[in-house]
Amino acid sequence: DIQMTQSPSSLSASVGDRVTITCRASQGIGNDFAWYQQKPGKAPKRLIYAASSLQSGVPSRFSGSGSGTEFTLTISSLQPEDFATYYCLQHNNYPYTFGQGTKLEIK
Amino acid sequence: EVQLVESGGGLVQPGGSLRLSCAASGFAFSSYWMHWVRQAPGKGLIWVSRINGDGSSTNYADSVKGRFTISRDNAKNTLYLQMTSLRAEDMAVYYCVAGVFDIWGQGTMVTVSS
Repeated sequence: DIQMTQSPSSLSASVGDRVTITCRASQGIGNDFAWYQQKPGKAPKRLIYAASSLQSGVPSRFSGSGSGTEFTLTISSLQPEDFATYYCLQHNNYPYTFGQGTKLEIK
Repeated sequence: EVQLVESGGGLVQPGGSLRLSCAASGFAFSSYWMHWVRQAPGKGLIWVSRINGDGSSTNYADSVKGRFTISRDNAKNTLYLQMTSLRAEDMAVYYCVAGVFDIWGQGTMVTVSS
């Protein structure tokens, strides 16, 4: 199975900060990779697909980069509505696997 | 409007069975691979199973293989997950997901307890 190691597991930041979350795959997955945002009691929402493509309707302060085994999600200027949990997903090999999540909290 | 609506969750005893349904609307259901993803209370997301557009190909997580069966009825635009031999560790919110994980339902809770 491909392991997705996401870091950090939690992050405290302020409105306006730039934050970066990283996901490392245990083997190469090309760009079969996505980032999700989940708020309490809600379904995950896709932010980034194919590693770096912005989902329609998602603010441009979100960006993704990477390929192969190293991927990053960057939020350029945190807004109050961005405080949530973020997950990465690889869909290159079965079983598809998610990272363990990054909880982004208000400082 | 593109929509996935899950149903069928509830309380079941260990060893019991349950069938989840997911009604799709607003997109060409039969053209989409479909997935089930689950999330135990306070935990992360776990991919459970996937089925291709015509239902001829399926995959499962090892933890559910042999106990869960994914299927679909394209005439009814509905996805199913038949769950048998349920265990405490199967307790979770089960999400129905379409395509390349871009369309998600709201989830249905499965509680396994005596």
